Amino acid sequence: DQQVKQNSPSLSVQEGRISILNCDYTNSMFDYFLWYKKYPAEGPTFLISISSIKDKNEDGRFTVFLNKSAKHLSLHIVPSQPGDSAVYFCVASAKVGYSGGGADGLTFGKGTHLIIQP
Amino acid sequence: DGGITQSPKYLFRKEGQNVTLSCEQNLNHDAMYWYRQDPGQGLRLIYYSQIVNDFQKGDIAEGYSVSREKKESFPLTVTSAQKNPTAFYLCASTGTSYNQPQHFGDGTRLSIL
Repeated sequence: DQQVKQNSPSLSVQEGRISILNCDYTNSMFDYFLWYKKYPAEGPTFLISISSIKDKNEDGRFTVFLNKSAKHLSLHIVPSQPGDSAVYFCVASAKVGYSGGGADGLTFGKGTHLIIQP
Repeated sequence: DGGITQSPKYLFRKEGQNVTLSCEQNLNHDAMYWYRQDPGQGLRLIYYSQIVNDFQKGDIAEGYSVSREKKESFPLTVTSAQKNPTAFYLCASTGTSYNQPQHFGDGTRLSIL
């Protein structure tokens, strides 16, 4: 049972436009969400996070929105640049001690491959 | 500079062989993790360790073993009992404060000859 779903395996966006990556989750115990970016043959790198007490967090060109009632979050990248082409993982974290997945309750989505076209 | 080093980058294993993947960190992190990634899949947790000399099974521990004799090191052994070992293996670490992002190494790609 997939608790973190990224329903778009790939997304193609023109350079300079907005990229919107979506993520849905099913487990109401998740209280912290992260986005990681991954290039081929490299480890994921942390991009941005949001706590469940907030509905928006912004860092430069990256903004994450959280809609708790809909159990949905999205990552916006504006403007999109060629270096943004990568796989983006949506990750959810449960409260310490919850055994939903991993030491900290980290559960990864399957990823969305973002392709920025010139 | 600080980071996580995984070696080797590529590893080949013969059927029936055990192989050990190295993971070293100099971030002074207490917790370390091993994940497996298969094509088109997210990361799945194999083992984790929150403190030296202690480790716990993750979601897919069967066929794997680990040790944590030093804070900096968390080697993963892929045993012959692991029936489908071909995958990309990622090591990560984090501090003890809740909600600290995990830092990842660059991974080891294991293939079966």
